[in-house]
Amino acid sequence: ETGVTQTPRHLVMGMTNKKSLKCEQHLGHNAMYWYKQSAKKPLELMFVYSLEERVENNSVPSRFSPECPNSSHLFLHLHTLQPEDSALYLCASSQGQGEAFFGQGTRLTVV
Amino acid sequence: QKEVEQNSGPLSVPEGAIASLNCTYSDRGSQSFFWYRQYSGKSPELIMSIYSNGDKEDGRFTAQLNKASQYVSLLIRDSQPSDSATYLCAVRGSGGSNYKLTFGKGTLLTVNP
Repeated sequence: ETGVTQTPRHLVMGMTNKKSLKCEQHLGHNAMYWYKQSAKKPLELMFVYSLEERVENNSVPSRFSPECPNSSHLFLHLHTLQPEDSALYLCASSQGQGEAFFGQGTRLTVV
Repeated sequence: QKEVEQNSGPLSVPEGAIASLNCTYSDRGSQSFFWYRQYSGKSPELIMSIYSNGDKEDGRFTAQLNKASQYVSLLIRDSQPSDSATYLCAVRGSGGSNYKLTFGKGTLLTVNP
């Protein structure tokens, strides 16, 4: 069991679809993160939210749109993705700049 | 210049041996360092955090930090086959980037029975 829960665990979508990934943390943390993990590449930081304010945005294409409605929930809205966007998308949370804890991830396949 | 560098391995050790994993980082102002373990098909799991120069021990794991050399390492004593995984080094940025947690590419460790 994890304090950070991601849904769905697996997602297959077409390039014209719109979908959303959801992350919920039950740890009382105030910062949440989206990472992308592709084969043979290090974890890539996409977005960081602290107290619901975006504090990091690592030049991510606009087809990825994050939303943080409160400190417990984080979404990643996806639209018109490309096949190279297929990857494991990981959500994490931390209390300030402390240790980050990850959810189980969403395995995304774009067809 | 890569921000966090690790030997990608694979590193292979016999059961019961000491496994040594190394990591260097480029941000001199970084103050927080972490080691994660990731099994194939799973998400990263936090093993150790270290914030001060020197050694920090937790069971069979010892993290070592040398800020002057910008070097952090993880030693696994009495390695077990269940330790076989990819080990990720993570470093927090400094100053205005202190929410940025950057990972290395990971070192694949195999412990042979």
